[in-house]
Amino acid sequence: GAVVSQHPSWVICKSGTSVKIECRSLDFQATTMFWYRQFPKQSLMLMATSNEGSKATYEQGVEKDKFLINHASLTLSTLTVTSAHPEDSSFYICSPSRVMNTEAFFGQGTRLTVV
Amino acid sequence: AQKITQTQPGMFVQEKEAVTLDCTYDTSDPSYGLFWYKQPSSGEMIFLIYQGSYDQQNATEGRYSLNFQKARKSANLVISASQLGDSAMYFCAMRVRQGGSYIPTFGRGTSLIVHP
Repeated sequence: GAVVSQHPSWVICKSGTSVKIECRSLDFQATTMFWYRQFPKQSLMLMATSNEGSKATYEQGVEKDKFLINHASLTLSTLTVTSAHPEDSSFYICSPSRVMNTEAFFGQGTRLTVV
Repeated sequence: AQKITQTQPGMFVQEKEAVTLDCTYDTSDPSYGLFWYKQPSSGEMIFLIYQGSYDQQNATEGRYSLNFQKARKSANLVISASQLGDSAMYFCAMRVRQGGSYIPTFGRGTSLIVHP
């Protein structure tokens, strides 16, 4: 399978600050990047889809001004949680993809705790 | 709209026994892919098995097999000879084309506990 690096693996931040999460596909070029959020004991909820060089498409209910996604290259995408609040505490997972993959690859996830 | 349903919130199985985790799906797109993932407590998503909608044979990967019944729109995961390390959350997912992308949709997951 492909090698995906997501970091940080966990972060604690103060309410009102911003946090940047990086996702790198180390051995393949990801034309599409999916960002998910997962609350405890729940499924993965798609937040947004981004294609390299284009603006991200956000799912209903996800604030695009709060969750800034940048997909500037085929190997790197970032998710920035701006002005974080305790309700943003969650597990965030990236999933780089190519068209017609028979396997979806995932980063290791980032556990964000906002205090 | 695409939908994945996993009706078993939790399953228990004895070590070395086989277990089936249920998954049904709904889509009007004739071209789709079905996946199963394992998520241990560490949080990482581990790919287990893939089945394409046009695949004639059921997918198998080691101890994992996918019981694909297209007419019933079911894609159950069978784990043979369960091991203690199989204890984890298991997610069924489907990917269909939406616009220019293949968007995955995940089920709610099944928590599997393997006991000695």
